[in-house]
Amino acid sequence: NAGVTQTPKFQVLKTGQSMTLQCAQDMNHEYMSWYRQDPGMGLRLIHYSVGAGITDQGEVPNGYNVSRSTTEDFPLRLLSAAPSQTSVYFCASSITGTKNQPQHFGDGTRLSIL
Amino acid sequence: AQTVTQSQPEMSVQEAETVTLSCTYDTSESDYYLFWYKQPPSRQMILVIRQEAYKQQNATENRFSVNFQKAAKSFSLKISDSQLGDAAMYFCAYLSYNQGGKLIFGQGTELSVKP
Repeated sequence: NAGVTQTPKFQVLKTGQSMTLQCAQDMNHEYMSWYRQDPGMGLRLIHYSVGAGITDQGEVPNGYNVSRSTTEDFPLRLLSAAPSQTSVYFCASSITGTKNQPQHFGDGTRLSIL
Repeated sequence: AQTVTQSQPEMSVQEAETVTLSCTYDTSESDYYLFWYKQPPSRQMILVIRQEAYKQQNATENRFSVNFQKAAKSFSLKISDSQLGDAAMYFCAYLSYNQGGKLIFGQGTELSVKP
């Protein structure tokens, strides 16, 4: 059982480049979320999804796009990378219906924008 | 909007001693959930303990326990018999009852354990 899988684990981009951070879960969870972690600020929600075909913005959505075409996958796209997007990105998923269930986190992607 | 505040950026404890990490939150909701997550240097996010707001009894998980004061909006984590493996960043998090999947995190407290 792989849980939540994020790829890549590390990435360096140049300003203006685009890329997609991949996230996949094999637990049939309906809720999936993307967070970014910056020093001294904890984790902040970027986008989230409550099921296939449904996405919504979190606290810091600007500069990021998401889609949810399947239950398993929730990719995060940076269309034009900026240095301010240098961060560690976490994908998480949780089961629906029982809202007190904890989120399962991936191992994170460290992204550096030069 | 809900907010979570951890006012202790760093804490230190002697091995085998007890330490308490503070967390306060602000919300107008009556039903919600609170969590403590541990993040070791490996960067994994590991659930330590959870508390449902409607439960008056404080949650406990082995050496970890919470002091949940709903009226004061306080949710502190107590670690007893601290071990070297407890050294990590600890995050307090809030989850709205009606908004599953949207965790709101505090800034984190970095705990060091001295042998």
